[in-house]
Amino acid sequence: QSALTQPASVSGSPGQSITISCTGTSSDVGGYNYVSWYQQHPGKAPKFMIYDVSKRPSGVSDRFSGSKSGNTASLTISGLQAEDEADYYCSSYTSRSTWVFGGGTKLTV
Amino acid sequence: QVQLVESGGGVVQPGGSLRLSCAASGFTLTNFGMHWVRQAPGKGLEWVTFIRYDGNKEYYADSVKGRFAISRDISTNTLYVEMNNLRTEDTAVYYCARTGSCSGDSCYSLAYWGQGTLVTVSS
Repeated sequence: QSALTQPASVSGSPGQSITISCTGTSSDVGGYNYVSWYQQHPGKAPKFMIYDVSKRPSGVSDRFSGSKSGNTASLTISGLQAEDEADYYCSSYTSRSTWVFGGGTKLTV
Repeated sequence: QVQLVESGGGVVQPGGSLRLSCAASGFTLTNFGMHWVRQAPGKGLEWVTFIRYDGNKEYYADSVKGRFAISRDISTNTLYVEMNNLRTEDTAVYYCARTGSCSGDSCYSLAYWGQGTLVTVSS
């Protein structure tokens, strides 16, 4: 159950767009459209941001979008705002009926 | 509204046991699958275990298989994880999380999270 691979950090200026990648295998990311993304601010619980690769839960800004190609999923944040600065984690359902998270990406705005 | 409140964390010696609780409100455990996820200090999220909505199947990460057991009490709408033979590497904040709705925001997502409870394994 190896963690999904995410860049350790990304950065962007207010108003810009950034993309965070999440690479797995055909047994998880590539095999299912069950990739989710979570935002976590320091000392807080994770917040659900994207599900089923590209769908947004009610209440999540449309500045957040998701996609997938092969074994790699991506989270794009457009129009960066200061409050977007946080850690971001991807997660995927796996062929073993388990879940796996990425190592996390620290976004600096 | 959905609320999840974890409790039971604390300091335990290596080899010891601990049971964490997650009191759920705003929904019924019989309608949703439930997860435990942990986060070691300064580290990322690690999925730990899942119990299906009907309580008939549980799944575990390799790192805890054979040592942890997830369960629930329908009468009190409470989720548990029994942790045995604890190791120093089990030190983490433990979160319970509810899946999304299969007819809405995906039963494969972790849609609602508690605030977590800290478990410290140390001699």
